[in-house]
Amino acid sequence: ETGVTQTPRHLVMGMTNKKSLKCEQHLGHNAMYWYKQSAKKPLELMFVYNFKEQTENNSVPSRFSPECPNSSHLFLHLHTLQPEDSALYLCASRGGGGQPQHFGDGTRLSIL
Amino acid sequence: KQEVTQIPAALSVPEGENLVLNCSFTDSAIYNLQWFRQDPGKGLTSLLLIQSSQREQTSGRLNASLDKSSGRSTLYIAASQPGDSATYLCAVGGGLTGGGNKLTFGTGTQLKVEL
Repeated sequence: ETGVTQTPRHLVMGMTNKKSLKCEQHLGHNAMYWYKQSAKKPLELMFVYNFKEQTENNSVPSRFSPECPNSSHLFLHLHTLQPEDSALYLCASRGGGGQPQHFGDGTRLSIL
Repeated sequence: KQEVTQIPAALSVPEGENLVLNCSFTDSAIYNLQWFRQDPGKGLTSLLLIQSSQREQTSGRLNASLDKSSGRSTLYIAASQPGDSATYLCAVGGGLTGGGNKLTFGTGTQLKVEL
């Protein structure tokens, strides 16, 4: 039990579909993150939310749309994705400054 | 722009051996440095977090050191076991503000401990 839960664990979608990834944490953390992990590449930070406010968008294409309705939940809405978007999408959360980030097990996304 | 490099990319050792994983970073203005392990098909598990003012952290058989001035960190694993087999990732918490909110990751060292 990592404290950070991501659903679904696996997702296969066509390029014209719309789907959403969900992340939930019950650690009382105030910051939440989306990362992308592609084969043979370092994890890439996508978005950061602090106290529900987006504080970082790492030049992510608009076909990825994050949503943070409260400090415990984070979504990543997907539409019109490309084959190169196939990757493991990881969510993380963190308490105060200088604290470690805690990760979920990720959603393995495959774009057909 | 911060860049993080991990050497070696892969390592295979016999059980019981002590080993060192290396991490280097280009910008020494860091907030902290974190070591993670990642098992196949899983997320990241935090192992050790070293604040920029610290030189090392220890947890069980693991010891991580930090030399900010030279841009290096090492993860020492004592008496390795097959259960230690995983990919080990180094991540640097960037910026002197924001509490190290942004992590820059290396590509990892894939460790295999053989019986």
